[in-house]
Amino acid sequence: NAGVMQNPRHLVRRRGQEARLRCSPVKGHSHVYWYRQLPEEGLKFMVYLQKENIIDESGMPKERFSAEFPKEGPSILRIQQVVRGDSAAYFCASSPDRGRGTEAFFGQGTRLTVV
Amino acid sequence: DQQVKQNSPSLSVQEGRISILNCDYTNSMFDYFLWYKKYPAEGPTFLISISSIKDKNEDGRFTVFLNKSAKHLSLHIVPSQPGDSAVYFCAASALYVQGAQKLVFGQGTRLTINP
Repeated sequence: NAGVMQNPRHLVRRRGQEARLRCSPVKGHSHVYWYRQLPEEGLKFMVYLQKENIIDESGMPKERFSAEFPKEGPSILRIQQVVRGDSAAYFCASSPDRGRGTEAFFGQGTRLTVV
Repeated sequence: DQQVKQNSPSLSVQEGRISILNCDYTNSMFDYFLWYKKYPAEGPTFLISISSIKDKNEDGRFTVFLNKSAKHLSLHIVPSQPGDSAVYFCAASALYVQGAQKLVFGQGTRLTINP
């Protein structure tokens, strides 16, 4: 998948704990997207970030969820006080800083299970 | 408000025949369309795309057709092969003012190719 690295691949958290999902985009890509796939559903957009900026977080729940893409290091999706309904596969994608129509490359995803 | 819809959750096709996957969209601001293929426990992989200025794009066994007036696109796979069995996601893209894009995905269609 063109080098987008997500870790961990699997994450188990108890209700009320925090979950941190990391995404390293393809080298040189400055656009990062997070998507969530609930069981038996499609991919739902959560947030779009460029380096150090959140461009669009319209798909992200207002509470407990936050995302960042610092100047150095991976993008982080943080879920505080997790609940059972947060159990899903979370996918990160990246695209380069160039013209329109560039496809996004996806990572393998992090499967979060809240017990 | 599902802006991108794939109305068939599943499709079963005989090996060697044509597979046709359909996708409808509602937002006229979408001007770039992509198909992704996803195997279980993996991230989506880009397959083929089409710009709204075209009505057809072909790449080997894969052809995407776009009917802008009907806000409909389809993916044709011919001949279908067992390795094509996967979930196929249709995605649509709209331009951001900063030259980036946000992908909106359909629910996916599970394609099964029977030997």
